[in-house]
Amino acid sequence: GIQVEQSPPDLILQEGANSTLRCNFSDSVNNLQWFHQNPWGQLINLFYIPSGTKQNGRLSATTVATERYSLLYISSSQTTDSGVYFCAVVDTGRRALTFGSGTRLQVQP
Amino acid sequence: DSGVTQTPKHLITATGQRVTLRCSPRSGDLSVYWYQQSLDQGLQFLIHYYNGEERAKGNILERFSAQQFPDLHSELNLSSLELGDSALYFCASSVGLAGPEQFFGPGTRLTVL
Repeated sequence: GIQVEQSPPDLILQEGANSTLRCNFSDSVNNLQWFHQNPWGQLINLFYIPSGTKQNGRLSATTVATERYSLLYISSSQTTDSGVYFCAVVDTGRRALTFGSGTRLQVQP
Repeated sequence: DSGVTQTPKHLITATGQRVTLRCSPRSGDLSVYWYQQSLDQGLQFLIHYYNGEERAKGNILERFSAQQFPDLHSELNLSSLELGDSALYFCASSVGLAGPEQFFGPGTRLTVL
């Protein structure tokens, strides 16, 4: 099956700093989503982005499908951004999401 | 709030028991997916239903089963529970057979003692 790798596995930032999270995938995808899992365990949809670039406030994402990677940018980070960020993909012929192992982000005041 | 609801939020039970987890998809969504999040396995797909019919199976144990009812809510049944079944179980829904975008419920945290 498709492999999804996220980097870095852990990230510690000071409040106000910027960061880039990366997701590499091993095959063509029909769907790519970014999620934030907050400390209470909820999975929050950030972006549905099989290709191109999207922005939502301080967050933006870019997927280059032909090169099989996606990037999530967090600017001016806040303590509420802490948690785990997951990239998940649906490869051709499947309908369920395959998740990466996540990037654990800690934003310190 | 994603619009997907799951009950109960927490469940504590003993080994060997059987439990049922319930999920109501977003209004208008026909697909329901179940996922399991455990410390050692990460987030894994279990099973997918579309408009009442099973459409795909992932890493679902034979002790686990699911169904989707005519009103589109879904139930995941876990039987002969083992300590290793302790996990966070998520339900997700999407409009169509192949998504496009899946929205997740708040999860049910299952603890098997």
